[in-house]
Amino acid sequence: DAKTTQPNSMESNEEEPVHLPCNHSTISGTDYIHWYRQLPSQGPEYVIHGLTSNVNNRMASLAIAEDRKSSTLILHRATLRDAAVYYCILRPNRDDKIIFGKGTRLHILP
Amino acid sequence: EPEVTQTPSHQVTQMGQEVILRCVPISNHLYFYWYRQILGQKVEFLVSFYNNEISEKSEIFDDQFSVERPDGSNFTLKIRSTKLEDSAMYFCASSSSGIGGPDTQYFGPGTRLTVL
Repeated sequence: DAKTTQPNSMESNEEEPVHLPCNHSTISGTDYIHWYRQLPSQGPEYVIHGLTSNVNNRMASLAIAEDRKSSTLILHRATLRDAAVYYCILRPNRDDKIIFGKGTRLHILP
Repeated sequence: EPEVTQTPSHQVTQMGQEVILRCVPISNHLYFYWYRQILGQKVEFLVSFYNNEISEKSEIFDDQFSVERPDGSNFTLKIRSTKLEDSAMYFCASSSSGIGGPDTQYFGPGTRLTVL
């Protein structure tokens, strides 16, 4: 199993920020926190990853708790195109396969 | 932006037939993967491949499955004798470093396999 816990689904309004939570209380010191998303009828798509510090890229921001037992993916201004399943994944070093959980299905309301 | 491509987008086959799913990974990537997703279920790891060898395979990847990199660009998944339960979306992925951790995998759009 993916060793992460996410809500099954969330809703947000278009053009508003979205905060997607993830709990990973059994995270080990060398696990990276990755987020992927899967748009309808498409393959998974990398969003962002981090280890200890908060990270920003053109798609999103990743806020990591100080104890690393939880993290939050932040979409600053959701669009309809952001409707997807978002997966929070722990990736240890030297284990290159990705173990997907069920993720959070994000609905964006126009 | 470089991307992983897969062909065909949809393959329909009869039970017991052989199918080959094709992938063209990102050109400078060295690590290749196949995943599958049965309708309504999680994405599942099948196999990883590096340096012309299987690095790791899941219990799903039994003797009916094989992978090959027949030339410098293609990466294929063969199912020797398809079963109804092989019906799924099959995703190919590639990465540059294969070290897990900070590495990023890039996924193709998938091939939908329907076994009748």
